[in-house]
Amino acid sequence: GENVEQHPSTLSVQEGDSAVIKCTYSDSASNYFPWYKQELGKRPQLIIDIRSNVGEKKDQRIAVTLNKTAKHFSLHITETQPEDSAVYFCAASPNTNAGKSTFGDGTTLTVKP
Amino acid sequence: EPEVTQTPSHQVTQMGQEVILRCVPISNHLYFYWYRQILGQKVEFLVSFYNNEISEKSEIFDDQFSVERPDGSNFTLKIRSTKLEDSAMYFCASSWTGSYGYTFGSGTRLTVV
Repeated sequence: GENVEQHPSTLSVQEGDSAVIKCTYSDSASNYFPWYKQELGKRPQLIIDIRSNVGEKKDQRIAVTLNKTAKHFSLHITETQPEDSAVYFCAASPNTNAGKSTFGDGTTLTVKP
Repeated sequence: EPEVTQTPSHQVTQMGQEVILRCVPISNHLYFYWYRQILGQKVEFLVSFYNNEISEKSEIFDDQFSVERPDGSNFTLKIRSTKLEDSAMYFCASSWTGSYGYTFGSGTRLTVV
């Protein structure tokens, strides 16, 4: 089955700095890669996703890159703000069933004011 | 914005008892999912459901688990004989297309005592 590894497990940055979270996956059949933000006690919220026919996607301060050959994808957050503090999960899914996601272990991002 | 709703928000049950967790997916969605998240850990896929049948299930989803869409609007997860290790947050999710973009509900925290 699919295995997703996520690094780092914790990340602390100063407000205004950039944050990068990296994930690797093992199954070449995976081709949908969502990223979720989860605040304490709340549901995961989709913040950005990418499909394997695209190498990069950007939405305001958030971008995701995908290297399908190397089987890794990354989340980039620029100009971080204290409200970006949360746990971020990457996931990998087959195109045939996007909901059958294998999640990474999560990265706890702390943005210090 | 349409939401996936889950009830109850918190359920406490005795070990060995049956529990039913309820979800109302977004109305025009066709694909439905259950996940669980043990406290402090990652989200884990349990089962996907489409066209009134299970499309895929994980190793976690054993004979003690079942899902049902009894009336065209609700989507339920039943655990027949709960164990202490079933204590977790259970999230329902739904999607219009099975190939990307699913929305999580607010979750049910199940505590087995």
